[in-house]
Amino acid sequence: DAGVTQSPTHLIKTRGQQVTLRCSPKSGHDTVSWYQQALGQGPQFIFQYYEEEERQRGNFPDRFSGHQFPNYSSELNVNALLLGDSALYLCASSKATGGFADTQYFGPGTRLTVL
Amino acid sequence: SQQGEEDPQALSIQEGENATMNCSYKTSINNLQWYRQNSGRGLVHLILIRSNEREKHSGRLRVTLDTSKKSSSLLITASRAADTASYFCATPPRGAGGTSYGKLTFGQGTILTVHP
Repeated sequence: DAGVTQSPTHLIKTRGQQVTLRCSPKSGHDTVSWYQQALGQGPQFIFQYYEEEERQRGNFPDRFSGHQFPNYSSELNVNALLLGDSALYLCASSKATGGFADTQYFGPGTRLTVL
Repeated sequence: SQQGEEDPQALSIQEGENATMNCSYKTSINNLQWYRQNSGRGLVHLILIRSNEREKHSGRLRVTLDTSKKSSSLLITASRAADTASYFCATPPRGAGGTSYGKLTFGQGTILTVHP
């Protein structure tokens, strides 16, 4: 049973470019959350997708957008990249039951460097 | 501001010693979770303790939760060099009807170094 997978592992972009990160959730999971982790900091919640809709959103600008596909996989898109977007982007999946989504399983992350 | 705040920020111990990390949070919770992260990689879920539980064990890990003080502690007994990592507490805030939907708020973490 594969866990959460993310691609690519590393990515280097320049300011102003756009980037797409991908995530496949753990088998049986239907909820995908994205987090940004700057160096030396804890992960910051970007948004969460459930049933192909954005259910919750953290304090991130509209440059950050996402999508969830019918097979529950998800993409994170960031437009007009800034140097400050350099971070480890983590995807987490969970199973929503009755409004609760307890344990989240994280992928290995995508390291994005913006030059 | 951060929901969870870990203390200390860094901890350095010898193999075989116990390591204790603390976490404080601000709002009502359904549960509190502890995660480990090795060297900038993905987070590994360690243990979840629900708001109606006071203590939970998993192998060498012991977690306590005091909802009156809004605090939790993680104890790692008989530490090993392989326990060297950053440890984070995370909470899904309690929403309407007791739902949380799993949005986790993390603290800045405790960096644990275990010397062989």
